[in-house]
Amino acid sequence: KAGVTQTPRYLIKTRGQQVTLSCSPISGHRSVSWYQQTPGQGLQFLFEYFSETQRNKGNFPGRFSGRQFSNSRSEMNVSTLELGDSALYLCASSGGQAGSGNTIYFGEGSWLTVV
Amino acid sequence: QQPVQSPQAVILREGEDAVINCSSSKALYSVHWYRQKHGEAPVFLMILLKGGEQKGHDKISASFNEKKQQSSLYLTASQLSYSGTYFCGTEKQASNTGKLIFGQGTTLQVKP
Repeated sequence: KAGVTQTPRYLIKTRGQQVTLSCSPISGHRSVSWYQQTPGQGLQFLFEYFSETQRNKGNFPGRFSGRQFSNSRSEMNVSTLELGDSALYLCASSGGQAGSGNTIYFGEGSWLTVV
Repeated sequence: QQPVQSPQAVILREGEDAVINCSSSKALYSVHWYRQKHGEAPVFLMILLKGGEQKGHDKISASFNEKKQQSSLYLTASQLSYSGTYFCGTEKQASNTGKLIFGQGTTLQVKP
């Protein structure tokens, strides 16, 4: 069973540009969540999508947005990039169904550098 | 709201044991443990649920003390492959929305 796949793995952008990151969840998983990881702030939750609907959102500005498609694949977008957006962006997938303790699996991440 | 992990870092020799703690000031529903090696994805280790049993596989196990809102990860007879940063992620309720609040991480280095 293939794991969570993220593309691109590495990218460099200039301040003010925008970026789109893509994530394919584990087959059968309908929940996709996104995290930002930086040395200073650690792992921080951005948002989560289930069946094309955003169910939960973290404390990030509106420049960070996402969407989910009918095949559960997800994209996140960051507009008007700032230097502080440089980070590892991790996508995670889980079943997302009601019940006890869905295991959350992470992808390899997309390393974004803003210059 | 962020759980606090202790210690921040630990250095071991192969074969030694280690305990990593994750404490929350809020009541928890679940604690998820991950290990991340530099430049790689966090790898799921185990999940502990409120009211659930202690978990474990191979030489790694974990417990969840609901009274203290603390989870502990036990690494016994450590191997070189155990090196990495360990994170606990917590949920206050059974939302199953993929939202975990992570601790700051504990860096473990196992030396030959």
